[in-house]
Amino acid sequence: GIQVEQSPPDLILQEGANSTLRCNFSDSVNNLQWFHQNPWGQLINLFYIPSGTKQNGRLSATTVATERYSLLYISSSQTTDSGVYFCAAATGGFKTIFGAGTRLFVKA
Amino acid sequence: GAVVSQHPSRVICKSGTSVKIECRSLDFQATTMFWYRQFPKQSLMLMATSNEGSKATYEQGVEKDKFLINHASLTLSTLTVTSAHPEDSSFYICSATSGIGGPYEQYFGPGTRLTVT
Repeated sequence: GIQVEQSPPDLILQEGANSTLRCNFSDSVNNLQWFHQNPWGQLINLFYIPSGTKQNGRLSATTVATERYSLLYISSSQTTDSGVYFCAAATGGFKTIFGAGTRLFVKA
Repeated sequence: GAVVSQHPSRVICKSGTSVKIECRSLDFQATTMFWYRQFPKQSLMLMATSNEGSKATYEQGVEKDKFLINHASLTLSTLTVTSAHPEDSSFYICSATSGIGGPYEQYFGPGTRLTVT
């Protein structure tokens, strides 16, 4: 099955800094999503982005499907951005595989 | 739009008892729902895929007789953990596809934290 790898595993930022999170996947995908899991466990949809580029406020994402990677950009980070960021991908259907996540801590 | 709820949010039960968790899509119809489990500081692992009106498809290694899934309507799927044991303690999360935004985009419920004593 598809493999999904995320990097870095942990990231500490000073408030206001920018960051890039990476997701590599081993096969072509028909679904790729980025999520933020808050401290209470809720997964919040950030982007549905099997290809192309999207932006939503301080966040943006790019997926280069031909090279099998996706990037999540966080600009001007805030303490509320802290949490775990997951990339999840599916190929040929609904079965979705999650990466191990990137744990982000933003210091005030 | 695309809101998914779960009930209960937290449950503590004794070893040997059964626990039912409900997953509802509140503002859309979901032909497909998914159940995941997550252990502390780990990622989400897909347990099963359920389609309305048909039997669930379980992932390898997931016991069908222990984790009973019923997708009775287009807005409700239930997961029953039968004869629960302490090792079943985990965070269970459901998701559903709505077709909004993308055909395979999943929306997640808030999760249910199960503790078996």
